[in-house]
Amino acid sequence: EVHLLESGGGLVQPGGSLRLSCAVSGLSLRDSAMSWVRQRPGKGLEWVSTLTSSGGAIYYADSVRGRFTISRDNSRNTLYVQMNNLKVEDTAIYYCAKDGGYADTLSKWFDTWGQGTLVAVSS
Amino acid sequence: EKVMTQSPVTLSVSPGERATLSCRASQSVNNRYLAWYQQKPGQAPRLLIYGASTRATGIPDRFSGSGSGTEFTLTISSLQSEDFAVYYCQQYDNWPLTFGGGTKVEIK
Repeated sequence: EVHLLESGGGLVQPGGSLRLSCAVSGLSLRDSAMSWVRQRPGKGLEWVSTLTSSGGAIYYADSVRGRFTISRDNSRNTLYVQMNNLKVEDTAIYYCAKDGGYADTLSKWFDTWGQGTLVAVSS
Repeated sequence: EKVMTQSPVTLSVSPGERATLSCRASQSVNNRYLAWYQQKPGQAPRLLIYGASTRATGIPDRFSGSGSGTEFTLTISSLQSEDFAVYYCQQYDNWPLTFGGGTKVEIK
């Protein structure tokens, strides 16, 4: 069974930086694309970024492109998102989510989700 | 960007009744690349349906999806107490991946 555990959230000032982690168990990151999806307080879901299983392709939402960087450490089987120049509107619960495809297949729907980590951007 | 619009925003249904949720896309979603998720308060979303009509592993058959093009529907045939939640649709036809605003199914 696949489990995802996010960490790294917290309170940060506007313009600050934060790195979120998602520890993955039950699956090698080499075998699945992974994504970050966020949810602002009381709002709906917003896709943020996707990293393919090969690591050869990365996709970002326009709202975070140039400020967020998705990456992974295969030896730690952990997904990351480095968030720089944070804005108040980045305040949200950040979920990591596993792609429904396997190996080189990118399905772009999400069959497993972590419990999320809260990022609060405020002065 | 494909904008996904869900209706109604809130649906009040009695246990045992049928619930019909709508998801409309601003442009055609090719290949029926449409997923549905359920989210309960304080929990992460859970995948219900992908490919517009394929139930995910472990999802009861009272959940069914249909539709194509720009109009999609999630039907819950007989609502159980554990089904009261918020439901989101998501298109994965192209980037950026986009979700609808959600439909909250509440107890009538």
